[in-house]
Amino acid sequence: DSGVTQTPKHLITATGQRVTLRCSPRSGDLSVYWYQQSLDQGLQFLIHYYNGEERAKGNILERFSAQQFPDLHSELNLSSLELGDSALYFCASSVVALTDTQYFGPGTRLTVL
Amino acid sequence: GNSVTQMEGPVTLSEEAFLTINCTYTATGYPSLFWYVQYPGEGLQLLLKATKADDKGSNKGFEATYRKETTSFHLEKGSVQVSDSAVYFCALSVSGGGADGLTFGKGTHLIIQP
Repeated sequence: DSGVTQTPKHLITATGQRVTLRCSPRSGDLSVYWYQQSLDQGLQFLIHYYNGEERAKGNILERFSAQQFPDLHSELNLSSLELGDSALYFCASSVVALTDTQYFGPGTRLTVL
Repeated sequence: GNSVTQMEGPVTLSEEAFLTINCTYTATGYPSLFWYVQYPGEGLQLLLKATKADDKGSNKGFEATYRKETTSFHLEKGSVQVSDSAVYFCALSVSGGGADGLTFGKGTHLIIQP
């Protein structure tokens, strides 16, 4: 158990819909990262938040957004969903400024029908 | 840009065999290097890491040495077990302090047969 929690574990929705994925980092970690894992693209970095502020963006679509709240949990919002958005979404947390090690949650499997 | 190349497999070995999974990288900076493992239905777990040239990361019998001259970070284990069956990802981070995300290889599916 990494100490990173993600909800829900599974999500099934239809094209055009909007969903929110939630992540709680390990106790004491200020950074949250989001990744997408799909069969064709592999594991891709989406976005990084540190202590409530956006720090870096990767291959994140404009239809996707994220935020980190004062209690440090983070949400990834996916809108106007397409079939190709079906994937595993992982969040990871780290201390940052002390270590580059990221600890991953169990993931949310999104299926868009 | 940054990239990681590793064999995708599947790699099938017998129990107690020697394991090598090759990983090479390109980076626009001085990266930290990682191996993560993903067991079926689970998230990624850090297996080992190395942050500077010639460092050797090790954990659970696995080892990898950061080779700057060959831009490589090959994963090795002397005697694999059935429980080592999983997908192994090589990854790098080039931002000091971890600001940017990890860049991953495609993953190597390892199957150990009894």
